[in-house]
Amino acid sequence: QSVLTQPPSVSGAPGQRVTISCTGSSSNIGAGYDVHWYQQLPGTAPKLLIYGNSNRPSGVPDRFSGSKSGTSASLAITGLQAEDEADYYCQSYDSSLSYVFGTGTKVTVL
Amino acid sequence: EVQLVESGGGLVQPGGSLRLSCAASGFTFSDHYMDWVRQAPGKGLEWVGRTRNKANSYTTEYAASVKGRFTISRDDSKNSLYLQMNSLKTEDTAVYYCARPTSDYGDWYFDLWGRGTLVTVSS
Repeated sequence: QSVLTQPPSVSGAPGQRVTISCTGSSSNIGAGYDVHWYQQLPGTAPKLLIYGNSNRPSGVPDRFSGSKSGTSASLAITGLQAEDEADYYCQSYDSSLSYVFGTGTKVTVL
Repeated sequence: EVQLVESGGGLVQPGGSLRLSCAASGFTFSDHYMDWVRQAPGKGLEWVGRTRNKANSYTTEYAASVKGRFTISRDDSKNSLYLQMNSLKTEDTAVYYCARPTSDYGDWYFDLWGRGTLVTVSS
């Protein structure tokens, strides 16, 4: 069972902005551990999207941005595109459970 | 090309064993820690365990769900990572990914993933 909670799904029309929340607790995000985000396109392996709360690896469009506050973090996608339709997972470290992932969010482009 | 390629998945009966392999290329494998992450069908990601590098004595750590049943090892001369899975349970059914963890400043994230190999535990 995941200790990081995400909404099961979010949707938006092309060009819109959507956000995905990742809610943790005082033993993980609230303890100061960073949050990282992964994109998993259908039938493929996860791909690093955001690291260290808000940093984008080379090649990731600046339409993707991340933030963290308190015991939660968020991923925002601006200018939503059809190719963004995928599952998204947050990840952090938990002082009791080691490396933990979020429950996952399916993004649908209407 | 920097890549990880898993192999060894398949169908195994409950209580059985299986050994997965991960072949690394395009980077200095021996410098890096290496992890296994799994994903049950239609479910989320679950960290399985880690092996550190030679400089850190190849120490390992495991998720509670697999500790005592799974063993991670590596052969730096072959640029390969392994996952020995014993006493398999139906709940171990998943795609197993080899993943490279990276830490710029203390916190770890996974910057390289393999395509995964499917393990099905069923009678």
